[in-house]
Amino acid sequence: QVQLQESGPGLVKPSETLSLTCSVSGGSISSSYWSWIRQSPGKGLEWIGYIYYTGTTKYNPSLKSRVTMSVDTSKNRISLKLTSVTSADTAVYYCARDYSSNCPPAYWGQGTLVTVSS
Amino acid sequence: QSVLTQPPSASGTPGQRVTISCSGSNSNIGSNYVYWYQQLPGTAPKLLIYRNNQRPSGVPDRFSGSKSGTSASLAISGLRSEDEADYYCAAWDDSLSGYVIFGGGTKLTVL
Repeated sequence: QVQLQESGPGLVKPSETLSLTCSVSGGSISSSYWSWIRQSPGKGLEWIGYIYYTGTTKYNPSLKSRVTMSVDTSKNRISLKLTSVTSADTAVYYCARDYSSNCPPAYWGQGTLVTVSS
Repeated sequence: QSVLTQPPSASGTPGQRVTISCSGSNSNIGSNYVYWYQQLPGTAPKLLIYRNNQRPSGVPDRFSGSKSGTSASLAISGLRSEDEADYYCAAWDDSLSGYVIFGGGTKLTVL
């Protein structure tokens, strides 16, 4: 069974870049779509975007100007970068595996909390 | 961007059947599949229903999903105390360049 593990700094300063990695184990990163989703403390869920193992991406229009996703098939992992962060970007960030393109995520990692604060 | 509309709360007693609604529009629920998730406190969301009414392996058949027009529902029968959680619906939205839209979530309390 595929397992997902997010990792990265738990604290990021305002205006800096948030960088997270999602390591995939128990299966290949190839032939699947992979999403990032976030959840602000006590709030609902927000889809950030997805990436295919070929590098094809689709981002949430509201975040598109600040988001970059990438894939490293040799290391079986995907990455997320979010630039110019503010306190509004404080959230638990999840990576997930999708059944296909253009659909909600299926299987989620445990998530990692990122706090934006000076 | 708007969200799918869910009631903020729902409740039921053990053994009861409860339903949670999710309302959208033609660009999301009206033209795409609906997914449902269960989120227990302090944990990641877990997929309960995909493609409107399909259950992943391991999800009890007490959970069922349906869709009609621009609305969808999640039904939980034989309610148990361990079902107390937040429930979210989601769908692809075809507007703008396309994105996933989530409901605001429903807190289910088992009385």
